[in-house]
Amino acid sequence: DAGVIQSPRHEVTEMGQEVTLRCKPISGHDYLFWYRQTMMRGLELLIYFNNNVPIDDSGMPEDRFSAKMPNASFSTLKIQPSEPRDSAVYFCASSGDRKNIQYFGAGTRLSVL
Amino acid sequence: AQSVTQLGSHVSVSEGALVLLRCNYSSSVPPYLFWYVQYPNQGLQLLLKYTTGATLVKGINGFEAEFKKSETSFHLTKPSAHMSDAAEYFCAVRVNYGGSQGNLIFGKGTKLSVKP
Repeated sequence: DAGVIQSPRHEVTEMGQEVTLRCKPISGHDYLFWYRQTMMRGLELLIYFNNNVPIDDSGMPEDRFSAKMPNASFSTLKIQPSEPRDSAVYFCASSGDRKNIQYFGAGTRLSVL
Repeated sequence: AQSVTQLGSHVSVSEGALVLLRCNYSSSVPPYLFWYVQYPNQGLQLLLKYTTGATLVKGINGFEAEFKKSETSFHLTKPSAHMSDAAEYFCAVRVNYGGSQGNLIFGKGTKLSVKP
């Protein structure tokens, strides 16, 4: 199993640009999570999906953030427009056993200049 | 609401020494507890978990943790540190509300350094 795959691994962009982060969960997993990790706030849950449906997006910081899961094997997290305070590492995780064990991707390190 | 506190953002031990990483949780109902490890430039990996049953839980790489309800603690230990254990460790808690499962709440992490 290839595990959770995220792309890109690194993204550098300028303030105001649109950023799209991508995630491929482990095949057969029906839960998908997006987290953000910063030094100041630690690891925060942004949103999670169950069977491609968003269940809890209360962690999404503001309307500039949006996430989609068009099918069971793909999800995106979009920031438009991006701001320097969005700089962080963004993780995707998936789970197949009622959210008990989550498997994390390697993360996308986003730098907004 | 549940929360997790990890005591000490940085812990340094010598190779071969005992590793003790502290985690205390707050929850009004019986929690599920987890330890994850993050190596540099990688995602989090599950080390071990406690759900029900035996309170001493063994995980990968020689780590273990003990759930102590009276102390609301779930400290992570390893008898003898190895250089490869240098990483950041996260404690996490999850509670179930009736038939609905809550989200994982992570602590701020403890960075473990191992000196030769």
